[in-house]
Amino acid sequence: QKEVEQNSGPLSVPEGAIASLNCTYSDRGSQSFFWYRQYSGKSPELIMFIYSNGDKEDGRFTAQLNKASQYVSLLIRDSQPSDSATYLCAVRAGGYQKVTFGIGTKLQVIP
Amino acid sequence: DADVTQTPRNRITKTGKRIMLECSQTKGHDRMYWYRQDPGLGLRLIYYSFDVKDINKGEISDGYSVSRQAQAKFSLSLESAIPNQTALYFCATSDGQETQYFGPGTRLLVL
Repeated sequence: QKEVEQNSGPLSVPEGAIASLNCTYSDRGSQSFFWYRQYSGKSPELIMFIYSNGDKEDGRFTAQLNKASQYVSLLIRDSQPSDSATYLCAVRAGGYQKVTFGIGTKLQVIP
Repeated sequence: DADVTQTPRNRITKTGKRIMLECSQTKGHDRMYWYRQDPGLGLRLIYYSFDVKDINKGEISDGYSVSRQAQAKFSLSLESAIPNQTALYFCATSDGQETQYFGPGTRLLVL
């Protein structure tokens, strides 16, 4: 079982819709959870991080964490074509900073 | 100027050659990382360093070595390149606040 699992997609949504990206992780001791966005041919950049159960909102983005079920999700409201990218879920387990990345979900926002 | 730089940006080499990828950062971070990214496999950690005197193997260190010349510099070497080391390589830094800042990447092709 992979430590961090994501559906590789592509996930296609129409412009203006809500895109929902999901990630599951295997280590129950995981403490920190991250979403990175990676445009084709570019390096990953952080969108959000979340530590506690529940929701965290930043503009059009909402990260949701459920530690009991070991999943973390990213919602993108009012999706725009510029949101088309690969979204990487990353999880940090343990006291030292070793982050494990999922393979990423490719999102396509259709105009 | 970019905070994390990598050289070269693209490299073509032949099987058996030794090559070095270099990373420099101006963020003042102690922690530095080397990842490789392959289609379908995501980002995988090769080596990481929490300070100049600390070097740690990641999940796929075989065939690679690193050198932390200074706080700002972290180099990755392929002692004898092989075709399955063809990949996109990223250097990253972190200040311990858990956000990783990636360089622009190096595309390596081993023939």
